[in-house]
Amino acid sequence: AQSVTQLGSHVSVSEGALVLLRCNYSSSVPPYLFWYVQYPNQGLQLLLKYTSAATLVKGINGFEAEFKKSETSFHLTKPSAHMSDAAEYFCAVSDNAGNMLTFGGGTRLMVKP
Amino acid sequence: DSGVTQTPKHLITATGQRVTLRCSPRSGDLSVYWYQQSLDQGLQFLIQYYNGEERAKGNILERFSAQQFPDLHSELNLSSLELGDSALYFCASSPQTSPYNEQFFGPGTRLTVL
Repeated sequence: AQSVTQLGSHVSVSEGALVLLRCNYSSSVPPYLFWYVQYPNQGLQLLLKYTSAATLVKGINGFEAEFKKSETSFHLTKPSAHMSDAAEYFCAVSDNAGNMLTFGGGTRLMVKP
Repeated sequence: DSGVTQTPKHLITATGQRVTLRCSPRSGDLSVYWYQQSLDQGLQFLIQYYNGEERAKGNILERFSAQQFPDLHSELNLSSLELGDSALYFCASSPQTSPYNEQFFGPGTRLTVL
């Protein structure tokens, strides 16, 4: 079964600092990977997705993620954190049929002024 | 706004009761997914429907059931409620069933069982 693991349930950065949120996947076949963001009291919104077209994927709000097969990772980064980035971030993998998403445990990002 | 609507936003009920959560997918989306988000279990897939037919089941309890109607809206029925069923229930939709497709999430229904 496919799964994802997010290292660090809480990450705190200063405004303007680099954001790095870690995600490792477990899959025997090329994975379909996603990053979603959940702002307080809201649903999930797609940040970006990996579909094998390119290993570096650019998403919304300045976020990007790099797919590294050798490390089975799909870490999310942003060069400079903004206060508005404070939210919970979820890495997810789709099954091959597109019937379901399996989510990691989530990482809560806190941004200090 | 994702275009997916869920009602009600909040639901407070007692143990043993039965509730129905409703979801309207984005216009044109044929696939509907239900997820449960709780503090101890995280975000878990429950069930998926495509154009009225059940396509996949996840960790859904036997006390829970769902259906998708001809107009494509979906309902999740939760019965014999227990304290542990308190959670945020999300509905998501996508145009087709494809691993490349983004799932668009609704704002969720927060269920509190007292």
